[in-house]
Amino acid sequence: GENVEQHPSTLSVQEGDSAVIKCTYSDSASNYFPWYKQELGKGPQLIIDIRSNVGEKKDQRIAVTLNKTAKHFSLHITETQPEDSAVYFCAASMTGRWSGAGSYQLTFGKGTKLSVIP
Amino acid sequence: EAGVTQFPSHSVIEKGQTVTLRCDPISGHDNLYWYRRVMGKEIKFLLHFVKESKQDESGMPNNRFLAERTGGTYSTLKVQPAELEDSGVYFCASSPRRSGKDHEQYFGPGTRLTVT
Repeated sequence: GENVEQHPSTLSVQEGDSAVIKCTYSDSASNYFPWYKQELGKGPQLIIDIRSNVGEKKDQRIAVTLNKTAKHFSLHITETQPEDSAVYFCAASMTGRWSGAGSYQLTFGKGTKLSVIP
Repeated sequence: EAGVTQFPSHSVIEKGQTVTLRCDPISGHDNLYWYRRVMGKEIKFLLHFVKESKQDESGMPNNRFLAERTGGTYSTLKVQPAELEDSGVYFCASSPRRSGKDHEQYFGPGTRLTVT
């Protein structure tokens, strides 16, 4: 099955600096890569995603890049703010497969605790 | 639009007891998923419903876990009898069955289960 590795496990940055979180996946059939942000006491919130036919996607201060050949993808947060402090999870799945196991299940990384220091 | 809701938010039970968790997906979402995060580990998939049918239950750990989605609306996850290793946070997620959007899973706040 799919395996997703996420680094680093913790990350501290000064407010205004950039933060980068990296993930690698093992199954070349994976084609959908979402990123989730989890704040204390809440569930994971989908913040950005990318499909395997796209190399980069940007949404304001957040961007995700994907390298299919190397099987890794990264989350980039620019101009970090204290409210960006949270645990971030990367995930991978294979969309379009409805039969049997491995349908749309997400395989998650272990998470990165990001702290933005004011 | 209301998000995914889960009840209870926290449950503390003794080993051997039964607990039932409930999930209400976003209205109109045919896809419903259960995941759990055991302390210190990653979030892991349990199963996937499409309406009332189990599409994929490959992540269910053993037969002490029973998930249902009668009528294709809310879902319940029953653990009977509960064991210590079942402690963790149980998340429910839902996604629409709409081409191009069906992979976008929206998560609820989770139920923290503590088995003592």
